[in-house]
Amino acid sequence: DVKVTQSSRYLVKRTGEKVFLECVQDMDHENMFWYRQDPGLGLRLIYFSYDVKMKEKGDIPEGYSVSREKKERFSLILESASTNQTSMYLCASRGSTDTQYFGPGTRLTVL
Amino acid sequence: QKEVEQDPGPLSVPEGAIVSLNCTYSNSAFQYFMWYRQYSRKGPELLMYTYSSGNKEDGRFTAQVDKSSKYISLFIRDSQPSDSATYLCAAGSQGNLIFGKGTKLSVKP
Repeated sequence: DVKVTQSSRYLVKRTGEKVFLECVQDMDHENMFWYRQDPGLGLRLIYFSYDVKMKEKGDIPEGYSVSREKKERFSLILESASTNQTSMYLCASRGSTDTQYFGPGTRLTVL
Repeated sequence: QKEVEQDPGPLSVPEGAIVSLNCTYSNSAFQYFMWYRQYSRKGPELLMYTYSSGNKEDGRFTAQVDKSSKYISLFIRDSQPSDSATYLCAAGSQGNLIFGKGTKLSVKP
């Protein structure tokens, strides 16, 4: 079974803090994704990566950056957290098939 | 126009009912279609996927795709309270996947 893990289930941060969200997959997948999910807006793609050190902007990259130093790990960085970044953050990975496998999610609250 | 449209519900049915969840899509280039189930405060889990028009069955679940009308459906037979969740449809091509916003389903005992 594909396993995607995320570093925290719940996180509370203050406005202006730098926030790191970590995602690890154990299936040697090339492609990894970061989404945020908000009520009424569905899943929105923030960034994705198709290889180590490679990244592509998704639909809503503003205010975020990513890092992929190792194949199994994809990090999402909020350089200066703001209240409108309060959301559920979901990481996913995809291998040679077209299916994406999701982690359990991190519910981030920015106060 | 959104590429994948899905009625958000909520949908409430009695236990044992047949549930029909539906999506439409606009991009005729989409080649693969998926359904995910998401329990409250959890990540989406892949339920079914298909690459062609027609039906695909897995236990109580049947995924149906009609490429001519760009319509995706998921049927749940003999629904159970444990089926209560949000169901996300998705469609894509060339490595991309576009999600619907999800339909919240509640199955009442």
